[in-house]
Amino acid sequence: GAVVSQHPSRVICKSGTSVKIECRSLDFQATTMFWYRQFPKKSLMLMATSNEGSKATYEQGVEKDKFLINHASLTLSTLTVTSAHPEDSSFYICSAPNGPFRSGANVLTFGAGSRLTVL
Amino acid sequence: GESVGLHLPTLSVQEGDNSIINCAYSNSASDYFIWYKQESGKGPQFIIDIRSNMDKRQGQRVTVLLNKTVKHLSLQIAATQPGDSAVYFCAENTGNQFYFGTGTSLTVIP
Repeated sequence: GAVVSQHPSRVICKSGTSVKIECRSLDFQATTMFWYRQFPKKSLMLMATSNEGSKATYEQGVEKDKFLINHASLTLSTLTVTSAHPEDSSFYICSAPNGPFRSGANVLTFGAGSRLTVL
Repeated sequence: GESVGLHLPTLSVQEGDNSIINCAYSNSASDYFIWYKQESGKGPQFIIDIRSNMDKRQGQRVTVLLNKTVKHLSLQIAATQPGDSAVYFCAENTGNQFYFGTGTSLTVIP
């Protein structure tokens, strides 16, 4: 089945530094990937849709300059949290549809998530 | 930072009993729904899906019911086992986006 690899699983950084999280589709191509953020004991909040070869689409209220998304190839999307602050600490999860995206026809496969802690 | 969304509702069931987890969705145009299971510290895993032209779909020990009139989904787990303890989310597909419900934390009591 479709596998999405997300790295790193955990990262601790100092306030003011930038952190990059990678999301790879291992055995399929993903022209679209989704990035979610999850607070403890809360639901997944869609941050942005990453589109291969074009700009990401951000949800309302998500700062695109804070959360940089790059989808440079059909198998890799990256999320960079720039100038991280403690309030950016969270669980970040990527996902990809299991084929060319069609409404009502795709299952999302999720990465294992990345736990970011900003000191 | 400020957390968003509601705190997770919880459900506790005895091992061997059936579990019913409910979800209300918001967009009447949503045409595809998925239930996911998320164990602590892991990404969500697919359980079962249903399209809007159906009202029931069964899998292994799981059944999803869809009531489009009241925009409601339910997930039924038969003979609940300790390994079923997790958070369960429903997701609705609207256009090219998936949006997740609040989630329910299921605890199975041995």
